[in-house]
Amino acid sequence: DQQVKQNSPSLSVQEGRISILNCDYTNSMFDYFLWYKKYPAEGPTFLISISSIKDKNEDGRFTVFLNKSAKHLSLHIVPSQPGDSAVYFCAAVWQAGTALIFGKGTTLSVSS
Amino acid sequence: KAGVTQTPRYLIKTRGQQVTLSCSPISGHRSVSWYQQTPGQGLQFLFEYFSETQRNKGNFPGRFSGRQFSNSRSEMNVSTLELGDSALYLCASSFDKPQETQYFGPGTRLLVL
Repeated sequence: DQQVKQNSPSLSVQEGRISILNCDYTNSMFDYFLWYKKYPAEGPTFLISISSIKDKNEDGRFTVFLNKSAKHLSLHIVPSQPGDSAVYFCAAVWQAGTALIFGKGTTLSVSS
Repeated sequence: KAGVTQTPRYLIKTRGQQVTLSCSPISGHRSVSWYQQTPGQGLQFLFEYFSETQRNKGNFPGRFSGRQFSNSRSEMNVSTLELGDSALYLCASSFDKPQETQYFGPGTRLLVL
């Protein structure tokens, strides 16, 4: 049973527009969420995170929103750039846990 | 400082063989986690080690095992390989808990024929 779901396998956006990547989770024990970006032939790289005590975290062009009641988080990229084209993974963990639980990823394609 | 390194980068094995993959974490990191990435399943957690002790294990059969050495380097072993074990195996390290941002290596691409 998947505890972290990224229901959109792919997303295409034009350069300069907003990219919104979504993630849903089922385990209410999760209290920390992370987004990773992965290019082909490389390992994932950390992008941004959010604790369950917050509902928004911003870092430059990247903002993550958390809606605890809906068990939903989203990553906004504004403005999108061609270099943002990659696979984005949402991950979740709980305070006492030592394992990141990942979604299956969303492939973002940004066209110029 | 040097990132997470994994060896070998590519490996071809046949069914029934066993394989050992190696991971060297970032200096000072004591937590090492292993993940399997396949096209249909995304990244799936295998196990996590901290100070030579396995702290957590994912839902994989006993053919998958690992260990961590006193210098925090880690190995994972897969015995009696099956075709379905073909995947990218990723290692990640962090200071303590994975919440503290895990840094991933480039992975080992395993192909089982």
